[in-house]
Amino acid sequence: KNQVEQSPQSLIILEGKNCTLQCNYTVSPFSNLRWYKQDTGRGPVSLTIMTFSENTKSNGRYTATLDADTKQSSLHITASQLSDSASYICVVTKMDSSYKLIFGSGTRLLVRP
Amino acid sequence: DVKVTQSSRYLVKRTGEKVFLECVQDMDHENMFWYRQDPGLGLRLIYFSYDVKMKEKGDIPEGYSVSREKKERFSLILESASTNQTSMYLCASSFGGVSTGELFFGEGSRLTVL
Repeated sequence: KNQVEQSPQSLIILEGKNCTLQCNYTVSPFSNLRWYKQDTGRGPVSLTIMTFSENTKSNGRYTATLDADTKQSSLHITASQLSDSASYICVVTKMDSSYKLIFGSGTRLLVRP
Repeated sequence: DVKVTQSSRYLVKRTGEKVFLECVQDMDHENMFWYRQDPGLGLRLIYFSYDVKMKEKGDIPEGYSVSREKKERFSLILESASTNQTSMYLCASSFGGVSTGELFFGEGSRLTVL
């Protein structure tokens, strides 16, 4: 079964600290992996998109890594800010005739002052 | 910037009512999507469209229909709302390949069916 599992489900950190969110997937073969940020009550916003040949991609204080061999990705947030409080969603695209996007259930991050 | 606008942020409807959720995008994107989002579950695709008047079923099309009469507008219709359709509904659009294009989401429509 094609799945995308994210951990932890929720995380609380202090402002200014770094954190790392994990995404493990069993989707095979896969076309690309995306990370989205979703503020409470809003739609998701794209952070990064990586193909299987890329192993790191940055967007400001957000850095995503991908290990296609172990089917793992991580999203590292540096020097967290209160505005980073949100859900972070990992999405894997299956590379077959369906090209289906498979969404993880997200990690809810709370940054406290 | 790409803007995807959903007509209603919050709706409350009664069981059996017909519900229309409207979505408009302003970037001439070919592809448009309707997802629902429930706590603890990933986004699930209801329907998508890759061209005017074209539609494809997603993972959970039962109880829903869609309409795309114009390129910029994609409507989700609940013919007879039921309580299990209480959810957050998200519209998205993209250009290029259905699977490779970056998705741009609307703000969401939270529907409560009583």
